[in-house]
Amino acid sequence: AQTVTQSQPEMSVQEAETVTLSCTYDTSENNYYLFWYKQPPSRQMILVIRQEAYKQQNATENRFSVNFQKAAKSFSLKISDSQLGDTAMYFCAFMPRSGGGADGLTFGKGTHLIIQP
Amino acid sequence: EPEVTQTPSHQVTQMGQEVILRCVPISNHLYFYWYRQILGQKVEFLVSFYNNEISEKSEIFDDQFSVERPDGSNFTLKIRSTKLEDSAMYFCASSVERSETQYFGPGTRLLVL
Repeated sequence: AQTVTQSQPEMSVQEAETVTLSCTYDTSENNYYLFWYKQPPSRQMILVIRQEAYKQQNATENRFSVNFQKAAKSFSLKISDSQLGDTAMYFCAFMPRSGGGADGLTFGKGTHLIIQP
Repeated sequence: EPEVTQTPSHQVTQMGQEVILRCVPISNHLYFYWYRQILGQKVEFLVSFYNNEISEKSEIFDDQFSVERPDGSNFTLKIRSTKLEDSAMYFCASSVERSETQYFGPGTRLLVL
């Protein structure tokens, strides 16, 4: 079974600052996906970024980038030039890619990110 | 851009009543999922569905739950006899294939009184 740990329940930064959210995971799988989902106050789950474990290059999506350290089983999310609209819960999630793996995503408990004006 | 839709957005029901939550997955997606998020807690996987049958289910998905694809577009989650602890946000998701990115709907907030 997989576990996902987000050790920061809440973070607060000023608008335009850079912030990094931490995520670690534990798995015996070698081939998997990692995700960051954003959940604003509306509670909709929005995909932020995806990383494939077999790719060494860190994924980026505009202001969002990840630092994926496979050996350390670490998957942090960096948000550059943070904006008020980035205020949300951020969930790290794991999904095995192999045929015998589970269908469902395993989520961490989330980090509540607050962007201060 | 295509998206997953869910109805209703909110549902209030009495304990012991049956509820049906509805989802319309993205049209070319083949795998469908239900997740639950109790207030203040993490999102938990309930069940996945492919080719008109359950692909996988978690220990949460007991006999009071069932899923169905009654027609070519809707995907439903039925809770037969609701309990207070079923109060949660229920998310539907879909993916093109198994082990591909899952896209979530906006959720149904269920309150059991």
